Amino acid sequence: NAGVTQTPKFQVLKTGQSMTLQCAQDMNHEYMSWYRQDPGMGLRLIHYSVGAGITDQGEVPNGYNVSRSTTEDFPLRLLSAAPSQTSVYFCASSYLDRVEKLFFGSGTQLSVL
Amino acid sequence: DAKTTQPTSMDCAEGRAANLPCNHSTISGNEYVYWYRQIHSQGPQYIIHGLKNNETNEMASLIITEDRKSSTLILPHATLRDTAVYYCIVRATNFGNEKLTFGTGTRLTIIP
Repeated sequence: NAGVTQTPKFQVLKTGQSMTLQCAQDMNHEYMSWYRQDPGMGLRLIHYSVGAGITDQGEVPNGYNVSRSTTEDFPLRLLSAAPSQTSVYFCASSYLDRVEKLFFGSGTQLSVL
Repeated sequence: DAKTTQPTSMDCAEGRAANLPCNHSTISGNEYVYWYRQIHSQGPQYIIHGLKNNETNEMASLIITEDRKSSTLILPHATLRDTAVYYCIVRATNFGNEKLTFGTGTRLTIIP
C-alpha cells in the first residue's frame, strides 16, 4: 500500500515548456486534489475531482489543466510554464465522505526559469 | 467556510504540553474544526477534527469552547518531532463543499 505517489520529486523547466505532474493513489479514494505551496504561505487549491470523469476548479486554476480518466490517477498539466508557477505541488486524496481526512503525497518541487 | 485566526508562531519546551489556539468566531452550526500539521517539506498530515465535543486520539486532543468560537489543539507531551506548521481549518461537510482551505497556520517550535 503506497498511499499517494507523486512524480517527479524535483523538476526544472524553462519558461514556455509544458509538463505533467503525476499523482497516483492506491486507496480507491474517490476524491483527489492538487495544491500549490509558495514559500511562507499556506496551501492553495488548484483543481480537484470527486470521481473519474469529474473535475472542478479550486482557488488558483489558471495555467493548469487536469483530467481524471481513472480513479487512481489525477495528473496536473502545465501547458506553458511561467516563473510564477515555481512552487511545491502537493497531490491529496480521500474518500468522498471523508474529504476532511486528506492523505497527501510527498510533493513535487518545480522551478521555472 | 468560516475564517480562522491562529498565532503566527509559538515555542514549547520538549516534554511539556503544547497548546495551539484557533479562533473561529464566525463558525456555523454545521461546520467542523479540523487540524493538520506539516513537517518541513512534507505533505500535510491530518491530526484530528471535531464538531462540538472534545476529541482525543493517539496524536492529540481537541478542545472546543462551548460557544464553538474557538478551539485548542493539545499535544500532551511535545517532542522535537512535533516541530511543524499546524493548520486549523473550519469546513462544512455538506455535499458539494469538497474544498479544504488551508491558511498560513502556526509554526510550532519545540525547544530541547
